[in-house]
Amino acid sequence: GAGVSQTPSNKVTEKGKYVELRCDPISGHTALYWYRQSLGQGPEFLIYFQGTGAADDSGLPNDRFFAVRPEGSVSTLKIQRTERGDSAVYLCASSLGEGAFGSYNEQFFGPGTRLTVL
Amino acid sequence: QKEVEQNSGPLSVPEGAIASLNCTYSDRGSQSFFWYRQYSGKSPELIMSIYSNGDKEDGRFTAQLNKASQYVSLLIRDSQPSDSATYLCTVGGSARQLTFGSGTQLTVLP
Repeated sequence: GAGVSQTPSNKVTEKGKYVELRCDPISGHTALYWYRQSLGQGPEFLIYFQGTGAADDSGLPNDRFFAVRPEGSVSTLKIQRTERGDSAVYLCASSLGEGAFGSYNEQFFGPGTRLTVL
Repeated sequence: QKEVEQNSGPLSVPEGAIASLNCTYSDRGSQSFFWYRQYSGKSPELIMSIYSNGDKEDGRFTAQLNKASQYVSLLIRDSQPSDSATYLCTVGGSARQLTFGSGTQLTVLP
């Protein structure tokens, strides 16, 4: 079946602008995660949704970052007043999410959105 | 602060050899352990998961977990040039989020 999809694949914006990044998880996966990856580093957690609600948003760096998942499927990561330091690859992952811990938490990543803030 | 430490490498092995990748983690409450492979310019791909002490084998890959030592490893047997990638040691705790190491860059020389 189809994997996690993310759009756009690349986004170039100017400092101070607003951007939206979209993620469509694997069908049937109830959990959705956003991570951010800078060059030479592993992904860093931003936010996790179980269904429609943000179960854990402790990784969001500041209040310029916000994410929604209104119908429990597609999610949008929103960044206001972008800064050059926001430039990174934004990764979305999904997992089955329910049931006993273990394989239900195996997370599968989309191709990412490369955000460049000029 | 939960930490996952890996040797950044680069690690080079000849084709056909065994590649050994190691990782330690700081959070004793960690419950799940994964290895992701990441090719340059691509997103992480899950290749192994392990949840209990001991070894888990899948094809040419063997993951090893020692919770007492807070140590995870990945062995790749009969290494192929196509195994050349960055390998991310990844740890999950009671929270659903994953904590990643910075990755070990592996090069398999033909």
